[in-house]
Amino acid sequence: GNSVTQMEGPVTLSEEAFLTINCTYTATGYPSLFWYVQYPGEGLQLLLKATKADDKGSNKGFEATYRKETTSFHLEKGSVQVSDSAVYFCALSISNDYKLSFGAGTTVTVRA
Amino acid sequence: DAGVIQSPRHEVTEMGQEVTLRCKPISGHNSLFWYRQTMMRGLELLIYFNNNVPIDDSGMPEDRFSAKMPNASFSTLKIQPSEPRDSAVYFCASSLAFGTETQYFGPGTRLLVL
Repeated sequence: GNSVTQMEGPVTLSEEAFLTINCTYTATGYPSLFWYVQYPGEGLQLLLKATKADDKGSNKGFEATYRKETTSFHLEKGSVQVSDSAVYFCALSISNDYKLSFGAGTTVTVRA
Repeated sequence: DAGVIQSPRHEVTEMGQEVTLRCKPISGHNSLFWYRQTMMRGLELLIYFNNNVPIDDSGMPEDRFSAKMPNASFSTLKIQPSEPRDSAVYFCASSLAFGTETQYFGPGTRLLVL
């Protein structure tokens, strides 16, 4: 079956620190990969996505590269801000399948 | 453009009462999803509609839960009777079409059943 495993949190770091959240996947076929972000009290928002191997998704200073050889889609940001405090979800979808398979979410807290 | 709209944003009710959650998807979107989020279980897909037709309700936890989509711009999730273990945040999401991966989430309804 299709599944996503992401690093457990919570993650606490200082402003301007480097952030990495690991995500690996298992999928039948060739998935599209996503990072969603959930700010406190809000719904999930698409942060970035990549639809094929070696694609890099980027948005708001965040990046993730679709690595087929390691079945990974790690999220990175070079310098985090307090406003990046949120829960981050890795997810995958198989072409022609409506379902998104979500990871468990990683809570990130950035201190000033 | 307006995003996915959910109402109410917060609901507090007593065990045994009927609860109705409402969702208006993004105009033009043909697919609609209901999710439940709890600390223990994370994010769970409850039911999926395509073109107003329920396609997969295997995630609906019990017969106490039901969902309808009478037209392309409105859906309801009903719990009758409600129980304390139903307390969660319920999200509605929509996407442009079947097979389109990006889902757009509403702000959620925070339900507390006493």
